[in-house]
Amino acid sequence: DGGITQSPKYLFRKEGQNVTLSCEQNLNHDAMYWYRQDPGQGLRLIYYSQIVNDFQKGDIAEGYSVSREKKESFPLTVTSAQKNPTAFYLCASSIGVRNLEAFFGQGTRLTVV
Amino acid sequence: RKEVEQDPGPFNVPEGATVAFNCTYSNSASQSFFWYRQDCRKEPKLLMSVYSSGNEDGRFTAQLNRASQYISLLIRDSKLSDSATYLCVVRYSGAGSYQLTFGKGTKLSVIP
Repeated sequence: DGGITQSPKYLFRKEGQNVTLSCEQNLNHDAMYWYRQDPGQGLRLIYYSQIVNDFQKGDIAEGYSVSREKKESFPLTVTSAQKNPTAFYLCASSIGVRNLEAFFGQGTRLTVV
Repeated sequence: RKEVEQDPGPFNVPEGATVAFNCTYSNSASQSFFWYRQDCRKEPKLLMSVYSSGNEDGRFTAQLNRASQYISLLIRDSKLSDSATYLCVVRYSGAGSYQLTFGKGTKLSVIP
């Protein structure tokens, strides 16, 4: 079945550590996105990528980094520079960036301990 | 600033009731509109796209008013399984970017 897969589902990180969240899709979608969701808040865009080897900052990119070396994969690294990393992280993809809906992975809950 | 505003909720309605959610968006350079549903601690899932002429899918009806920059979702004959948070989503275009912007969501609880 085609879909978008995030791993792990739950992640614990010590303060000062970098951590990488995985996002893989087999939908043959060109565009991929990373969002962050905090309790009572809407989804906020961290980074997005329209094609391989290209990505753009979203509204809250500070403290995060991404890569897009393959069409299927868009990993997100939460660096130690991110001051408040505890959140629900959602990866999404869409066929293109124009006029089409996005499909989401099941999300990763990151907790800093 | 690109913003999407929704009724804060929560909406607590009995089974069988009709409930309406409203959403306004601030940027007129918007191309596409969607309603997503998000269950507690789950990912958002597309409920329906919203077309200029309005569209219906079973018990769900979506309306778009571009002049007023307003989107609505009507749910008829509410079911317990409709309990969720409903997210209004707008795709903006401009300067080569096509970003999805999400409202904060409106929580619906359907009560037996």
